[in-house]
Amino acid sequence: GNSVTQMEGPVTLSEEAFLTINCTYTATGYPSLFWYVQYPGEGLQLLLKATKADDKGSNKGFEATYRKETTSFHLEKGSVQVSDSAVYFCALSGQSGGYQKVTFGTGTKLQVIP
Amino acid sequence: ETGVTQTPRHLVMGMTNKKSLKCEQHLGHNAMYWYKQSAKKPLELMFVYNFKEQTENNSVPSRFSPECPNSSHLFLHLHTLQPEDSALYLCASSHLRQGYSNQPQHFGDGTRLSIL
Repeated sequence: GNSVTQMEGPVTLSEEAFLTINCTYTATGYPSLFWYVQYPGEGLQLLLKATKADDKGSNKGFEATYRKETTSFHLEKGSVQVSDSAVYFCALSGQSGGYQKVTFGTGTKLQVIP
Repeated sequence: ETGVTQTPRHLVMGMTNKKSLKCEQHLGHNAMYWYKQSAKKPLELMFVYNFKEQTENNSVPSRFSPECPNSSHLFLHLHTLQPEDSALYLCASSHLRQGYSNQPQHFGDGTRLSIL
């Protein structure tokens, strides 16, 4: 079956540091890939997505590129802010029984300190 | 405004109580989901409804009973819960098209459930 593996946290960075959160996946077919973010006390929000190989998703300074050859979808941001402190989930969406099935990673907590 | 509204936001109940969680989506989606989020555990998919029909039940104990009266509303009826059921319960919705997998799920802010 499908699976998503993302780096364990927590990740602690100073403000303006470069961020990478690794995500690799196992899937059959041609899944779509997503990053979600969860701020304290809230649900998950879609951060960005990519639907085919070599697509780059981007939003709010975050980027991730769908790499089929390495089955990866690493999240990057060039300069993090304190407000980026949250839990980040990598997810893939594939077909199961003709319909969409989403598999989430375990989440990586990011803490940005001033 | 996420488009998916969950009530209540917080719920404290005893093990013998009966309560219900409510989810409503205003996005015109045709699929709705219940997830359980516990500390230090992966997000667990509990139930899926496509077009108001339950299509997935991931071995969830019968003390959790879902109801989907229409494509905009989803309930989770709770009875005789255990302390290990304390968690954040998240509702989500999405637009499903057969053969397509590129639609994201939209989440509510969850109900924080505590079992005494």
